[in-house]
Amino acid sequence: EVQLVESGGGLVQPGRSLRLSCAASGFTFGDYTMSWFRQAPGKGLEWVGFIRTTAYGGTAEFATSVQGRFTISRDESKSIAYLHMNSLKTEDTAVYYCTRIRLYYYGSGTFPPFDYWGQGTLVTVSS
Amino acid sequence: DTQMTQSPSTLSASVGDRVTITCRASQSISSWLAWYQQKPGKAPKLLIYKASSLQSGVPSRFSGSGSGTEFTLTITSLQPDDFATYYCQQYNRYPWTFGQGTKVEIK
Repeated sequence: EVQLVESGGGLVQPGRSLRLSCAASGFTFGDYTMSWFRQAPGKGLEWVGFIRTTAYGGTAEFATSVQGRFTISRDESKSIAYLHMNSLKTEDTAVYYCTRIRLYYYGSGTFPPFDYWGQGTLVTVSS
Repeated sequence: DTQMTQSPSTLSASVGDRVTITCRASQSISSWLAWYQQKPGKAPKLLIYKASSLQSGVPSRFSGSGSGTEFTLTITSLQPDDFATYYCQQYNRYPWTFGQGTKVEIK
């Protein structure tokens, strides 16, 4: 069974850092690009960023709103994707979700994108 | 960035009704559109991908259509479990973007 489990959320002061984890199981982690999304309280969904598989360089892309402050890494041995959040702002307060996509294969129709999501972890940025 | 505009923002309907939600993209996204259902406190659930492909396990009363810039999600015979918020999302090009959501309420 495919599972994605986020952890690491909590209350943090503006300007500080936090690291979220997304533990994956039930599938071949190395085959999937891992992506983070977020949802501010009472608001809609927003893409945060993703990290490609190591076969495609393990590089990452980010939304403009977090570019330069957030990074993403992945540990293939543990099947975990990390979202490293620095210089946090109050507007980063949200539930953060991780999900998966076969970034260069979803066009075939065989691999539906964003088919599994974690339960989310709440990050509250407040003084 | 590709802007996604959903309508309506809120929809009141009764069990058994046919419901249609529209999503418009600010530029062509081919068929790279997904639809999600989200209930309070829960993660989004993928319903439709590639504009019209039904995700495994999703009831056949859900269907999607469209290409280019105009898309629709249709729910035939609305069921009690379907009252939720629905989002469209383009994944043609990042930044991947969402519509603002459509809340389907009980009439």
